[in-house]
Amino acid sequence: DQQVKQNSPSLSVQEGRISILNCDYTNSMFDYFLWYKKYPAEGPTFLISISSIKDKNEDGRFTVFLNKSAKHLSLHIVPSQPGDSAVYFCAASENYGGSQGNLIFGKGTKLSVKP
Amino acid sequence: GAVVSQHPSRVICKSGTSVKIECRSLDFQATTMFWYRQFPKQSLMLMATSNEGSKATYEQGVEKDKFLINHASLTLSTLTVTSAHPEDSSFYICSASNRDTRSYRGRFFGPGTRLTVL
Repeated sequence: DQQVKQNSPSLSVQEGRISILNCDYTNSMFDYFLWYKKYPAEGPTFLISISSIKDKNEDGRFTVFLNKSAKHLSLHIVPSQPGDSAVYFCAASENYGGSQGNLIFGKGTKLSVKP
Repeated sequence: GAVVSQHPSRVICKSGTSVKIECRSLDFQATTMFWYRQFPKQSLMLMATSNEGSKATYEQGVEKDKFLINHASLTLSTLTVTSAHPEDSSFYICSASNRDTRSYRGRFFGPGTRLTVL
């Protein structure tokens, strides 16, 4: 049973527009959520995170929104740029374990930003 | 950010052979290494966690005698798939962190190894 779900395997957006990537989770014990970005032939790199005590975290063009009651989070990229084209993974953790904790990943969403 | 490398990036082997995958942290001391596996169109699944100098802790359903993990130094961990079979064909990816780093920002992933067992 998948605890972290990314139901859209791909998303195509025009440059300059907003990209919205969605993630749902089932485990109510998750208290920390992360987004990773992965380019081909490279490992996933940390992008942005949010604690369950918050509902929004912003870092430049990237904003993550958390709706605990709906067990849903989303990543907004505004404005989208061609360099944002990558696979985005949503991940979650119980009892925030820092760099040592276990992460549960979604399947990823491939974002394509068209010039 | 820190760099984690994996070798080889791609390997094709015959059924029944053993394959060793190396994971190296190039510019920091990796006290903990995580090994993940990703099947096509599936998510990254944690296989095992190893701390330098200790035996690895395997996730439920992962055979420790089949997937041998060695983390003998602070910069190198190896995953050996013993007697590989076609169902072991997958994308194997390692992640390294230092226990003194409290944030998930201190966890870095390798580029992965594509294993194909014929």
